Amino acid sequence: TQLLEQSPQFLSIQEGENLTVYCNSSSVFSSLQWYRQEPGEGPVLLVTVVTGGEVKKLKRLTFQFGDARKDSSLHITAAQPGDTGLYLCAGAASNTGKLIFGQGTTLQVKP
Amino acid sequence: NAGVMQNPRHLVRRRGQEARLRCSPMKGHSHVYWYRQLPEEGLKFMVYLQKENIIDESGMPKERFSAEFPKEGPSILRIQQVVRGDSAAYFCASSPRGGFPQETQYFGPGTRLLVL
Repeated sequence: TQLLEQSPQFLSIQEGENLTVYCNSSSVFSSLQWYRQEPGEGPVLLVTVVTGGEVKKLKRLTFQFGDARKDSSLHITAAQPGDTGLYLCAGAASNTGKLIFGQGTTLQVKP
Repeated sequence: NAGVMQNPRHLVRRRGQEARLRCSPMKGHSHVYWYRQLPEEGLKFMVYLQKENIIDESGMPKERFSAEFPKEGPSILRIQQVVRGDSAAYFCASSPRGGFPQETQYFGPGTRLLVL
């Protein structure tokens, strides 16, 4: 059974601080996706990483896929209150494309 | 181009009743995935369907739950004889092609089911 461990589960920081969220597994994933979910809404895709070692940047967000395609990280630079939300990592199973989700990281950025 | 639509957004049922959740995929998408999000937990895969076919139902509970995606109309997730433990947010996602790990899945806003 493929599992994704996401950490930390909760993070409360001040505006302007940096943070990193981790997503780890003992399994290899064909791709890994990061989503952000607002209360009462569905997850919205931020990025998909496919190649081992791949790094993608989205403004102040940097995503990295581990060389062995078993882990990933999300780094936010100079966090802002608008970054507050639930961040989810999800690995795609190779056979059907179904997504295996981590438990999520609830981020609160205080002004 | 409308996104994935789900209705109802909120559904209240008493124990023993049936719940029907509907999902209309994005235009041109013929692959639908259903996920369940229990309180304080991440999303869990339930079932993957193409038009008129169930491709992977490995995440579906063995009893009371069923899903379909007919040739015409929305995909339906049906829960019979609901129990309190079924209270959760149910999300569907669609993609233009299924079975490809790099394929983006677009999520709907979810249906929040509350069983009294």
